[in-house]
Amino acid sequence: DAKTTQPNSMESNEEEPVHLPCNHSTISGTDYIHWYRQLPSQGPEYVIHGLTSNVNNRMASLAIAEDRKSSTLILHRATLRDAAVYYCILRGGTNAGKSTFGDGTTLTVKP
Amino acid sequence: NAGVTQTPKFRVLKTGQSMTLLCAQDMNHEYMYWYRQDPGMGLRLIHYSVGEGTTAKGEVPDGYNVSRLKKQNFLLGLESAAPSQTSVYFCASSYVRDLRETQYFGPGTRLLVL
Repeated sequence: DAKTTQPNSMESNEEEPVHLPCNHSTISGTDYIHWYRQLPSQGPEYVIHGLTSNVNNRMASLAIAEDRKSSTLILHRATLRDAAVYYCILRGGTNAGKSTFGDGTTLTVKP
Repeated sequence: NAGVTQTPKFRVLKTGQSMTLLCAQDMNHEYMYWYRQDPGMGLRLIHYSVGEGTTAKGEVPDGYNVSRLKKQNFLLGLESAAPSQTSVYFCASSYVRDLRETQYFGPGTRLLVL
């Protein structure tokens, strides 16, 4: 499986933007970039995904580098409820049906 | 639409006992997965299934068996529980559309092996 690299932890102040980076230098042409998050004591939940173009939804934005070797999840105004572990995962293509998670980035939001 | 449900939510076992964790999904998804998550760590894939009647090993399959007799259910079995299997177990299901896969997770089963 293609691997991703994320910082172990990040901190943010409430109501400020947060940029969570992810490196995926071995991404293949058919891999989609997915982000999931795991709130305390819950299962992971889907946040956003993209292939080549930047994406926006009600939860976040996803900025994808032109060479697709890195991406950034953007939370425009962090709230205390956004404190979670964020996972960047490659899906699709040859990875379809096989799913592995790394350790993710633990986001702490300070009031 | 219940999504992905897991039974039981919490269980305490003694070393050597056996048990089965049940995962059920009502979204007609082809793929199903079992993960374990140890404290402070990410999820590790135990076994997965790409369709009814098929299963495959993930990263950490030793000590576990699985069955997918019905499309909506995926069972995880521990034949002889060990303290090292104390963990939180998550089930997930997914569909693949246009080479894009989105997973849906259950709430987890907390297992303590004494």
